[in-house]
Amino acid sequence: EAEVAQSPRYKITEKSQAVAFWCDPISGHATLYWYRQILGQGPELLVQFQDESVVDDSQLPKDRFSAERLKGVDSTLKIQPAELGDSAMYLCASSPRVEQFFGPGTRLTVL
Amino acid sequence: AQSVTQPDIHITVSEGASLELRCNYSYGATPYLFWYVQSPGQGLQLLLKYFSGDTLVQGIKGFEAEFKRSQSSFNLRKPSVHWSDAAEYFCAVEARGSQGNLIFGKGTKLSVKP
Repeated sequence: EAEVAQSPRYKITEKSQAVAFWCDPISGHATLYWYRQILGQGPELLVQFQDESVVDDSQLPKDRFSAERLKGVDSTLKIQPAELGDSAMYLCASSPRVEQFFGPGTRLTVL
Repeated sequence: AQSVTQPDIHITVSEGASLELRCNYSYGATPYLFWYVQSPGQGLQLLLKYFSGDTLVQGIKGFEAEFKRSQSSFNLRKPSVHWSDAAEYFCAVEARGSQGNLIFGKGTKLSVKP
């Protein structure tokens, strides 16, 4: 069964450092999402791609976060510089139409 | 603005007992409705979804949910809970035509007593 892949699974960094997360969606899924999930909360959308185009990045803190999906397949989410408040689970999901399929996530800890 | 309310932060049930997790949403029209489950440190797995039609939907792992338009609710149920069901459960809604803007509740953590 096809799955969404994410790496790394865990990342520990110091504040002011740069971090990057990678996501490989299920083959053929045109829509890709990045979510942030703070401990004890539900996921919140950061950015949505349709193929290589950004559909919604209204909740992405653009002063420090960036996301790209250059060839419309895999995607990278970057944080520079990381802040203590960025500690969270970062989830990637992909979708063929409506239903979203989630990857295992990257747990980020900022010290 | 759309919102999803899961009024129970933490529920404990005995193994073999029945389960109902509550979910209420606030939106003008009937959205798409979902229930996801998340084990510790893992991603989210879709349990079931409602798009239209029969208001009682069956999902994986023996779960079902009932959509009640008059109450704006989409409660999740299971007749007999297994220890492996211990996890966090999230209700989510998506406005029709919103291009995938999924709004999640804050989740309900389920503990199962032996």
